[in-house]
Amino acid sequence: EDQVTQSPEALRLQEGESSSLNCSYTVSGLRGLFWYRQDPGKGPEFLFTLYSAGEEKEKERLKATLTKKESFLHITAPKPEDSATYLCAVQVDSNYQLIWGAGTKLIIKP
Amino acid sequence: NAGVTQTPKFQVLKTGQSMTLQCAQDMNHNSMYWYRQDPGMGLRLIYYSASEGTTDKGEVPNGYNVSRLNKREFSLRLESAAPSQTSVYFCASSGDAGYEQYFGPGTRLTVT
Repeated sequence: EDQVTQSPEALRLQEGESSSLNCSYTVSGLRGLFWYRQDPGKGPEFLFTLYSAGEEKEKERLKATLTKKESFLHITAPKPEDSATYLCAVQVDSNYQLIWGAGTKLIIKP
Repeated sequence: NAGVTQTPKFQVLKTGQSMTLQCAQDMNHNSMYWYRQDPGMGLRLIYYSASEGTTDKGEVPNGYNVSRLNKREFSLRLESAAPSQTSVYFCASSGDAGYEQYFGPGTRLTVT
């Protein structure tokens, strides 16, 4: 069964304390892996798409990486405004549907 | 450029009542989606429309119907609401199936 698991469920960091969020997946064939950010009371906001192992994407303090089994979202020197829930989703070959993880709630304390 | 818009933002229904959630996008996207989001669970796909004139069931279609009215609009109907349908509903669109999806602000639905 295709599955996506995110860890940890919640992460509390001090401002400036770098860390990583994990998205592990077991799927029959990966077509793409997506990262989203979701603020309370809002819809998910697209961040990155990764297609193949070894690929990396960066945006401001965020960097996403991909291996054959998992993806990491690295957050460097985070600020309070980076606080949000981060979601990952996987698309498998020849299927329109995305398989979503439950998310990691990130809290950055000033 | 509004992106993806949804109405209403909040709704309270009694068991057995019906309602339609509206969604529109102005990005000229071909594909549109309806999801529900429940605490502690990932987004679950209810229905999707890969292109104008087509609709397909997702993971949790029971109790829902959809209409792709035109390229811009995709509505979700609850014919007889049940408490299990209490959730936050999101509409999304993408250029084509398989590309990144863009989400609306959501509708928070409570069924009593």
